[in-house]
Amino acid sequence: GENVEQHPSTLSVQEGDSAVIKCTYSDSASNYFPWYKQELGKRPQLIIDIRSNVGEKKDQRIAVTLNKTAKHFSLHITETQPEDSAVYFCAASIGSFSFGTGTRLTIIP
Amino acid sequence: DAGITQSPRYKITETGRQVTLMCHQTWSHSYMFWYRQDLGHGLRLIYYSAAADITDKGEVPDGYVVSRSKTENFPLTLESATRSQTSVYFCASSEGRRGSNTEAFFGQGTRLTVV
Repeated sequence: GENVEQHPSTLSVQEGDSAVIKCTYSDSASNYFPWYKQELGKRPQLIIDIRSNVGEKKDQRIAVTLNKTAKHFSLHITETQPEDSAVYFCAASIGSFSFGTGTRLTIIP
Repeated sequence: DAGITQSPRYKITETGRQVTLMCHQTWSHSYMFWYRQDLGHGLRLIYYSAAADITDKGEVPDGYVVSRSKTENFPLTLESATRSQTSVYFCASSEGRRGSNTEAFFGQGTRLTVV
């Protein structure tokens, strides 16, 4: 089955700086790559996604890049704010969704 | 209410008891999933279903049973609960189109404690 690895497991950045989270996947058939944000005690919620026929997608301060050849994709958050503090999960999908183990992002005021 | 709902939100059960977690979605999504979330392990897939009467094992299926007689419901049963099944369980649903999924929407989660 699909195996998704996510790094780093924890990340602390100064408010206003950028944060980057990286994921790799194993199944070249995976064709949909969402990113979820989970706040403490809440359900995961989609923040951005990308399909395998696209290399990059941006939504305001958030961007995702996909390298199909290398089988890795990354989340970029610019101009970080305190409300960006949360756990972020990447996922790869072909039918089901396989998730990475999460990155706890802390924004330091 | 529209969306995806889980019940109960919290459950305490004893070792060896059977317990069923319920999941209901109103979108008629074809795919439904059950995940467990444990510290350090992220979200691990237990079972999923691509349509009514079709279910498949995920990464950690042992000790769990699912059924999907109706598109909107996907109950998860722990046949004989063990302490290692103490976890937060999330149900999710997604539409599948032309061999690709759309966004997975998650329920509120069920916090299960086995004592």
